Amino acid sequence: KAGVTQTPRYLIKTRGQQVTLSCSPISGHRSVSWYQQTPGQGLQFLFEYFSETQRNKGNFPGRFSGRQFSNSRSEMNVSTLELGDSALYLCASSLASSREYEQYFGPGTRLTVT
Amino acid sequence: LAKTTQPISMDSYEGQEVNITCSHNNIATNDYITWYQQFPSQGPRFIIQGYKTKVTNEVASLFIPADRKSSTLSLPRVSLSDTAVYYCLVGDLAMNTGFQKLVFGTGTRLLVSP
Repeated sequence: KAGVTQTPRYLIKTRGQQVTLSCSPISGHRSVSWYQQTPGQGLQFLFEYFSETQRNKGNFPGRFSGRQFSNSRSEMNVSTLELGDSALYLCASSLASSREYEQYFGPGTRLTVT
Repeated sequence: LAKTTQPISMDSYEGQEVNITCSHNNIATNDYITWYQQFPSQGPRFIIQGYKTKVTNEVASLFIPADRKSSTLSLPRVSLSDTAVYYCLVGDLAMNTGFQKLVFGTGTRLLVSP
């Protein structure tokens, strides 16, 4: 069974631009969660989507948004990029609620904002 | 918002038992406690999950006291390949938002030496 895939793996953007990251979950998984990882703040939860609906969310500004498609693939968008948005963005999929089921993480997208 | 805290680092030797504790005094009532392992340049990988008392699988045990405000991951007979960062993950109590969020612990860097 193929694992969670994320594209692109690396990205360099300029302040003020926007970016879209993509995540393809494991086949059959209906929940996709997004996390930001930085050396200073560690792993922080962004949001979770289940059956195309946002189910849970963390404490991130509205510049961070996401969506999930009917095939469970998910995208995350960050608008008006700031230097502090430089991070590893991880996507994880699970069968159902990420609070109850094992999450499988992708390799992440490394975003650098200059 | 209460933080979910772990010791920053731990050192051990091959063959020893390692216990890593996570303090999560703001855990949501109905949420599970999950532990993940992360190697450099990889996404976290599931180790074990529990709700209360003790859970054991082929790689680890998880001890959860009755008040569930902490948990202890126990790794029996560690090997060099267990050198990694270990995170606990819990659901945080909702704060009038209608959403709940997942909170990763601060992470414990385990170094296993020969």
